[in-house]
Amino acid sequence: EVQLVESGGDLVKPGGSLRLSCAASGFTFTSYSFNWVRQAPGRGLEWVSSISSSSGYIYYADSVKGRFTISRDDAKNSLYLQMNSLRAEDTAVYYCARSYCDGSGCHRLFDYWGQGALVTVSS
Amino acid sequence: DIVMTQSPDSLAVSLGERATINCKSSQSVLYSSNNKNYLAWYQQKPGQPPKLLIYWASLRESGVPDRFSGSGSGTDFTLTISSLQAEDVAVYYCQQYHSSPYRFGQGTKLEIK
Repeated sequence: EVQLVESGGDLVKPGGSLRLSCAASGFTFTSYSFNWVRQAPGRGLEWVSSISSSSGYIYYADSVKGRFTISRDDAKNSLYLQMNSLRAEDTAVYYCARSYCDGSGCHRLFDYWGQGALVTVSS
Repeated sequence: DIVMTQSPDSLAVSLGERATINCKSSQSVLYSSNNKNYLAWYQQKPGQPPKLLIYWASLRESGVPDRFSGSGSGTDFTLTISSLQAEDVAVYYCQQYHSSPYRFGQGTKLEIK
């Protein structure tokens, strides 16, 4: 069974830092690219960042570029999101999501999601 | 950047009736090289993560009931629920995966009339 479990969500002050983790199981981690998608309270979905299977391709939304860093540790079957210079508008549930992959490669649509980690940025 | 716009923002449909949600992209999400539309639909119920329903604009994800169908090409897409069930109450999102940033539509809230 495919499982994605996020951790690391917390209350942090503006300007602070936080690192989210996502532990994956039930599939071959190295074969997939991964993503972070967030959802502010009562709002819609916002794609945040993507990382390819080899870490060779990394993308960020403009809203987090220069502040957030996505990474992966294939030995630990884990995905990470380092978040620096946090702002109130970064308050959201952050979902780890696996990219859909087929014979043509991996695509930035999301076939499995974790339950999410809540990040609250407030003084 | 490709902007995704859904209509309507909310929708109330009677049980057993058809529900139709529209999604429009500001640029085509059709790749001419493979003739595929890079468009997905998700369902999100309260307190749950989103669930993938449809990809490549019209392919149903494994396990998704066949009352859900997707159609459209280029910039205009539709999600149809042929006979609404109580468990279909949710917010529905379209998403383009043609190019970064991989934006979602604003969501359509579907309720029972």
